[in-house]
Amino acid sequence: NAGVTQTPKFRVLKTGQSMTLLCAQDMNHEYMYWYRQDPGMGLRLIHYSVGEGTTAKGEVPDGYNVSRLKKQNFLLGLESAAPSQTSVYFCASRGLAGRNYFGAGTRLSVL
Amino acid sequence: KQEVTQIPAALSVPEGENLVLNCSFTDSAIYNLQWFRQDPGKGLTSLLLIQSSQREQTSGRLNASLDKSSGRSTLYIAASQPGDSATYLCAVAGGGADGLTFGKGTHLIIQP
Repeated sequence: NAGVTQTPKFRVLKTGQSMTLLCAQDMNHEYMYWYRQDPGMGLRLIHYSVGEGTTAKGEVPDGYNVSRLKKQNFLLGLESAAPSQTSVYFCASRGLAGRNYFGAGTRLSVL
Repeated sequence: KQEVTQIPAALSVPEGENLVLNCSFTDSAIYNLQWFRQDPGKGLTSLLLIQSSQREQTSGRLNASLDKSSGRSTLYIAASQPGDSATYLCAVAGGGADGLTFGKGTHLIIQP
C-alpha cells in the first residue's frame, strides 16, 4: 500500500530551467494538494484539485502550474525556476472524514 | 484569514516526562484539526484527527483535545521517550475542499 508517492525526491535546477513534480496516490481520493515548506514559514498551500480535470489556486500559486489529467496523479510544474522556489514540496491527498495523507517530499534547489 | 500558532516553538525534556503541546487558531469555523509528526528530512505522519464536533482523540500515549469555541487544541504525550523526538505540527481544515492551514510546529527533543 504505497499511499502518496512523489517523484523525484531531490532535484537541482538552474535559474530559468523548467521541471515537473509528480504526485501519485493509490487511495482513490478526489482531493489532492501541493504545499511548499520553508524555514520559518511553515507549510503553505500552492494549488489544489477537487477531482480529475479540476485545479484551483492556493495561498502561494505564482510561478507554478498544475494539472490533474488522471484522478490518481497531480502534477506541479515550474516553467521558469527562480531561486525563491528553492523549497521542500509536499503533495497530499484527502480521504474520508478529512484525513490528509502526505508524500515524502521533493527537495528542490534552484541555483 | 485563518492563522495557527503553536507554543512552544521548541521544547527539550528528560525521558519519562508527560508533556503538553499547544495549538491555537483564530477562526473557530473549522471542519477538523489534525496533528502531524515530522522527522528531520521526512514527510508528515498523521497522528490524530479531531472532527469539529469532537472534544478529544486518543492513540496510545497520545491524546489530543479540541476546544473549538476558544480556538485551542492540545497534544498530550504521556511518558515521553527519545523516539518521540520530532517536530509536531498542528493543522486546521476549513469547510469545503480548501487545504490545511498549518502552525509552524513545536520542535521536541526528549533527552535519554
